[in-house]
This record gives sequence, C-alpha cells and structure tokens, in this order.
Amino acid sequence: QVQLQESGPGLVKPSETLSLTCTVSGGSVNSDSSYWSWIRRPPGKGLEWIGYIYYSGSTNYNPSLQSRVTISVDTSNNQFSLNLTSVTAADTAVYYCARDEVVTMVRGIVIKYMDVWGEGTTVTVSS
Amino acid sequence: DIQMTQSPSSLSASIGDRVTITCRASQTISSYLNWYQQKPGKAPKLLIYAASSLQSGVPSRFSGSGSGTDFTLTISSLQPEDFATYYCQQSYITAHFGQGTRLEIK
Repeated sequence: QVQLQESGPGLVKPSETLSLTCTVSGGSVNSDSSYWSWIRRPPGKGLEWIGYIYYSGSTNYNPSLQSRVTISVDTSNNQFSLNLTSVTAADTAVYYCARDEVVTMVRGIVIKYMDVWGEGTTVTVSS
Repeated sequence: DIQMTQSPSSLSASIGDRVTITCRASQTISSYLNWYQQKPGKAPKLLIYAASSLQSGVPSRFSGSGSGTDFTLTISSLQPEDFATYYCQQSYITAHFGQGTRLEIK
C-alpha cells in the first residue's frame, strides 16, 4: 500500500524559497503508471493544484505559479520535491503531495486521478 | 487553461436528503473529471473518477454523471459522515480543482 509523507520547514521568510519533499513508501516513483503531484490549500480557501512530475522528469505546472515553481524527482531516494521561489504571505497554506494514478478505462480512454495523498504539512510565510 | 466552476458554494441539508452538486468546465473535458471529499484537518479523499466511476471502498450512495462541460455529484441519502467540502477536478489538461462546495448540516 503506497503511502506519502511531506517534510520540510514550517516557516519560511518572505522572498525566500519554500522547499518541500514527499517520500514515497510501499511503491516506487519509477512507476510508469503514476504522476506525482503537489497541491495546496490556503487558509479559508479551496484546493489549488501546483503541478506534477513523471518519473522521466517531465513536468506540468499551474500557469499561475509556473514562473516560481520547480518540481523534481529523486528516484534513488524514492522522493519528489517542490521548490517555490520568492514566496509571499499568499503562499501560506497546507501543502499536500499526491499520487496521480494513470488508468486505461474500458472505453480506451486514459484517465488520471489522485488516489493517494500525504497528510499535508502547514507552511507559514512570515518574517 | 481550463477553469472549473462549482455550484453551489455552500449547501445546508438534513440527514437522509438527496443532494446534488454541479461542476462546469470552461471548455469540453470529455469524462476527465474527478470528485473529492475533504473533512477538516484531513487530506482530500477520492470519491469518483472518470466522471462516473466509484472509487473502491466509497459507499454506493455517492454517484457521478456528466460529460463534456457539465457534471454532477449526487449523494442519494445523506449520512452524518458526509458533511464535508467537495471538490471537482479536471484531469484533461493540467489538473485544476473547482472552488469547492461546503456541505453543512441543516
């Protein structure tokens, strides 16, 4: 059973870089049937998709964050990471990592869904 | 970029009620639509994928329908544990979520 665990600083200063790591257990980031995603939920707001990475290193980012986001994968340690630069108070949120599983449906359509989530980690941006 | 709009933003209902939440995509996404439930302090949980397929272990009172741009999540008979926030999410291009629907006890 795949499990995910986020780790990283809970407090980041404005203008600095937020860095989080998601450790995968019970499965492999090398899986060709999985993408690996980051999502956040600011206080009082809804879920915001940040981006995802495939084991090959290909990425897809939220256009609204693309200029500040980098997601990378470390296959040797079975982890993937998020870097968000030039943070402001608006980046304060609970950050989640998730497995974005790829499945071919009976109709031949290939779909993705986030079926395994980490418990989330709170990051506060403040001086 | 494809944007997702849910309605209503909040909803009050009673135990046993039938509830429907709507999600609309800004352009057609075929059946690339998933539904999640989130309770306070917890990670989101996958309920429905590919618009109408029930995730393993999810009660059958949850159902999804729709394709193209308009989708619905229906709870046939509300149970106490169903009061939560629900999100739709498109997986056609990028992976944006709707803004959420908060389901509260009347």
